[in-house]
Amino acid sequence: GENVEQHPSTLSVQEGDSAVIKCTYSDSASNYFPWYKQELGKRPQLIIDIRSNVGEKKDQRIAVTLNKTAKHFSLHITETQPEDSAVYFCAATEIKAAVNKLTFGGGTRVLVKP
Amino acid sequence: DVKVTQSSRYLVKRTGEKVFLECVQDMDHENMFWYRQDPGLGLRLIYFSYDVKMKEKGDIPEGYSVSREKKERFSLILESASTNQTSMYLCASSRTAYEQYFGPGTRLTVT
Repeated sequence: GENVEQHPSTLSVQEGDSAVIKCTYSDSASNYFPWYKQELGKRPQLIIDIRSNVGEKKDQRIAVTLNKTAKHFSLHITETQPEDSAVYFCAATEIKAAVNKLTFGGGTRVLVKP
Repeated sequence: DVKVTQSSRYLVKRTGEKVFLECVQDMDHENMFWYRQDPGLGLRLIYFSYDVKMKEKGDIPEGYSVSREKKERFSLILESASTNQTSMYLCASSRTAYEQYFGPGTRLTVT
């Protein structure tokens, strides 16, 4: 089955700096890569996703890049703000039908210092 | 707005007890999931269901079972709770193969 590794496990950045989280996956058949954000005491929420036919996707201050050959994908947060402090999870799956079975990475705790 | 609710936020049970965790979604989603969340291990899929009465094992189904008698409700059952099942349990639902909507979680402690 799929295996997703996520690094680093913790990341501390100064407000305004950039943050980068990297994930690698094992199953070359995986074609969908979402990122979820979980603020302290709250539920995980999807913030951005990318499909395997796209190399990069941006949404305001966040972007995700995908390298299918190397089987890794990354989340980039620019101009970090205190509200970016959270745990971020990457995931991977092969979309075959109407349901996906996500495999998550171990999570990255991001702390943005004012 | 999608709403996924779970029956309890916190639960304390004794070893050997039968434990029921319930999840309800109000958006007519076909797919429902149960995960456990442990520090450093991310979210691990226990079971999922893509239709009423249909279920499939996830990555860590041992020691758990599920029930989906109605489309909006998905129950996780610990037949005989053990201390290694102390964890945060998250339910999720989705209509498509893409975005999953999570519930608030149930923190279960087994003593």
